[in-house]
Amino acid sequence: EVQLVESGGGLVQPEGSLRLSCAASGFIFSSYWMTWVRQAPGKGLEWVANVNQGGSERYYVDSVRGRSTISRDNAKNSLYLQMNSLRVEDTAVYYCARVSVATSIVTQYYLDYWGQGTLVTVSS
Amino acid sequence: DIQMTQSPSSLSASVGDRVSITCRTSQNINYFLNWYQQKPGKAPKLLIYSASSLQSGVPSRFSGSGFGTDFTLTINTLQPEDFATYSCQQTYNTPWTFGQGTKVEIK
Repeated sequence: EVQLVESGGGLVQPEGSLRLSCAASGFIFSSYWMTWVRQAPGKGLEWVANVNQGGSERYYVDSVRGRSTISRDNAKNSLYLQMNSLRVEDTAVYYCARVSVATSIVTQYYLDYWGQGTLVTVSS
Repeated sequence: DIQMTQSPSSLSASVGDRVSITCRTSQNINYFLNWYQQKPGKAPKLLIYSASSLQSGVPSRFSGSGFGTDFTLTINTLQPEDFATYSCQQTYNTPWTFGQGTKVEIK
């Protein structure tokens, strides 16, 4: 059974830092892209960042680029999101998700398994 | 960035109804469109990928259609467990973007 379990959320002051973790099990972690998606209270979903299987390719939404780093440790089956210079607008539930691929003529990505989320609250 | 516009933002329906939700994108995304269901306090659940492919384990009353810029999620014979928020997502290019969500409520 595929499982993704996030941890590391909490209350942090503006300009503070936080490192989120996602422990994966039930699948070959090193074979999949992984992603972070967040959801501010009462708002819609927002993609945050992607990382490829080996960790060499990383993509970010503009609002976190330069302040956050996505990484992974395939030996530990773990995904991370290091967030620095946190802002009030970063307050959200952060989900990690597995990226699967539908390949026909071209490659199309979708998020087929999600963790339960971890809440990050940025407030003074 | 590709903008996603869902309509309606909410709707009221009864058990047994047929419901359709539309997602329009600001540029052609081919069929790179996914649909998710989310219940309060829970993580999103994948329903449809590649615009019309049903995810394994998802009931066949859910279906997706569309190509290019206009997409539709249809729920046939609405069940009590289908009352939730539905969101579309494009993965044509980064940043991947989501629609604002459509809340399906009980009439």
